[in-house]
Amino acid sequence: DVKVTQSSRYLVKRTGEKVFLECVQDMDHENMFWYRQDPGLGLRLIYFSYDVKMKEKGDIPEGYSVSREKKERFSLILESASTNQTSMYLCASSLWPSYNEQFFGPGTRLTVL
Amino acid sequence: AQTVTQSQPEMSVQEAETVTLSCTYDTSENNYYLFWYKQPPSRQMILVIRQEAYKQQNATENRFSVNFQKAAKSFSLKISDSQLGDTAMYFCAFMKGGGATNKLIFGTGTLLAVQP
Repeated sequence: DVKVTQSSRYLVKRTGEKVFLECVQDMDHENMFWYRQDPGLGLRLIYFSYDVKMKEKGDIPEGYSVSREKKERFSLILESASTNQTSMYLCASSLWPSYNEQFFGPGTRLTVL
Repeated sequence: AQTVTQSQPEMSVQEAETVTLSCTYDTSENNYYLFWYKQPPSRQMILVIRQEAYKQQNATENRFSVNFQKAAKSFSLKISDSQLGDTAMYFCAFMKGGGATNKLIFGTGTLLAVQP
């Protein structure tokens, strides 16, 4: 079974803090993704990576950065958290190429005060 | 740009009955993939079904089937013999083909409640 884990289920941070969200997958998937899920907006892609040290911007990359130093780990970084980044963050992974099934983590509900 | 529209924010169905969730999409591509993902309450999102646009036959997975109408750009999900465990948010998604790093574009979701 593919397993995608995220470092926290719930996280509360203050405005201006640097926030790290970690995602780890255990099935040697090439592709990894970070999404943001908001009510009425569905899932929106923030960044994705199809190889170690490779990254591509998604639809809403502003205010975020990512890091992929190892194949199994993909980190999302909020350089200076703001209240409008309060959301559910979902990580996913898939085999190459991108049209393969994506496997999702449980999500991190981030609240920025 | 491609868009995916789910016009039913919420739906309700009685256990054992059949329900159809609607999805339309807008694209000028001829080669693409369509997906339905399910997100149960407090549980991880999982793939329900996938359809390749070049295949005329509608995809089926046990009680789940799709009605793919390419000309109408419609991709509805039919759930037969609904079960309480089908209660979830359902997302329709589109991905264009012809590339190895293309992105999934999601609709806004339909929250399905199966009533006992």
